Amino acid sequence: NAGVTQTPKFRVLKTGQSMTLLCAQDMNHEYMYWYRQDPGMGLRLIHYSVGEGTTAKGEVPDGYNVSRLKKQNFLLGLESAAPSQTSVYFCASRERGTGVGVGNQPQHFGDGTRLSIL
Amino acid sequence: GDSVTQMEGPVTLSEEAFLTINCTYTATGYPSLFWYVQYPGEGLQLLLKATKADDKGSNKGFEATYRKETTSFHLEKGSVQVSDSAVYFCALSDYAGGTSYGKLTFGQGTILTVHP
Repeated sequence: NAGVTQTPKFRVLKTGQSMTLLCAQDMNHEYMYWYRQDPGMGLRLIHYSVGEGTTAKGEVPDGYNVSRLKKQNFLLGLESAAPSQTSVYFCASRERGTGVGVGNQPQHFGDGTRLSIL
Repeated sequence: GDSVTQMEGPVTLSEEAFLTINCTYTATGYPSLFWYVQYPGEGLQLLLKATKADDKGSNKGFEATYRKETTSFHLEKGSVQVSDSAVYFCALSDYAGGTSYGKLTFGQGTILTVHP
């Protein structure tokens, strides 16, 4: 019953450092997403993937890269961290769905990674 | 583009009070609507959903009705408990010819605090 697992849970970086956040899901979901949560702004989509080997940009992709080499894993990378990237990052996954069901499958979320950049 | 607007928070209530959190949306296709809840230190959990007009989603005493005529999906609960204290997010997932890929558009979230 692991669901969606994110590692690490907390991290502090210095400006300019790089790091990778890992998301793993054990539900065999096709779609995976990375969001950032900032106070008063809800969650905003960074990147998403609709299958192994595919990725696409979301609403706020600048400064981030992603990879989906295996169906169960979705990695989020920060090449050169900036203080504006201080946030809580959430990964989510969901089933594909068909027809109008494409929209009505719920997303399943991990517990988040709290990232501070000094 | 799609957007979701939630009532301003935070909301503070006494136990057993009636709760309403307003949510309105703008969408171009055939959206499904969701309420997610986030407890402190945790990720988001699906609370309820509705996939077409006039559908009512319900769970754990919470209800919301998909009102296409008013583009609203207000969350209600008749008697809140201290354990309901959390952040509540309204969200939509639009279907636009199969290219939406289930992406969610979120409201800004409403903090609910319930006192004994």
